[in-house]
Amino acid sequence: DIQMTQSPSSLSASVGGRVTITCRASQGISNYLAWYQQRPGEVPKLLIYDASTLRSWVPSRFSGSGSGTDFTLTINSLQPEDIATYYCQAYNTVPAFGGGTKVEIK
Amino acid sequence: QVHLAQSGPEVRRPGASVKVSCRSSGYPFNHYAITWVRQARGHGLEWMGWINPHTGRTRFAQKFQDRITLTTDTSTTTSYMDLRSLRSDDTAVYYCARSMGTAISVAGTGDYWGQGTLVTVS
Repeated sequence: DIQMTQSPSSLSASVGGRVTITCRASQGISNYLAWYQQRPGEVPKLLIYDASTLRSWVPSRFSGSGSGTDFTLTINSLQPEDIATYYCQAYNTVPAFGGGTKVEIK
Repeated sequence: QVHLAQSGPEVRRPGASVKVSCRSSGYPFNHYAITWVRQARGHGLEWMGWINPHTGRTRFAQKFQDRITLTTDTSTTTSYMDLRSLRSDDTAVYYCARSMGTAISVAGTGDYWGQGTLVTVS
């Protein structure tokens, strides 16, 4: 099965700051990459699919990029409601999640 | 609107089996795969498998392949995840999620999620 490696495992940033999370696949997955947001005590939510397509409810400060094996989730102007753990997921053959990145406010 | 309602918490002894249900509503059941994901307390998400309700086709993560069964009942729009030979490290919240479609390329995604079912093995 494919392995997904996320980094960092946790980070803290100031409100209004920029956050970048990376995800690396053990083999090429084209753009079959999703990002999920899981706030504390809540169910995960699909944030981005096809590496860069935002779900309709997602604010434009979120963006995704990448293709092949390397992907990035960026949050511009971090807001308190963005405090969550973010997971990447490859989904083209046998799906797999990354280990998660916990985002906190500095 | 789309809603997935899962069955309640379960407690099992090691070596036993558990069957979790997931009732879907608010969308055409046969048009979207159901994927199953679990999360141990304080840990990350772990993808387990998906099922296409229309064809019954399934795909599993290698680590669960020998002891998981996924089924659906289209008459009640309910999906089931059966996990056998339970161990203490199977203690987790188990989620069902509706995928973005039935194509193999998206069947493992989770677009709408159930509330989760806590399975405790002790």
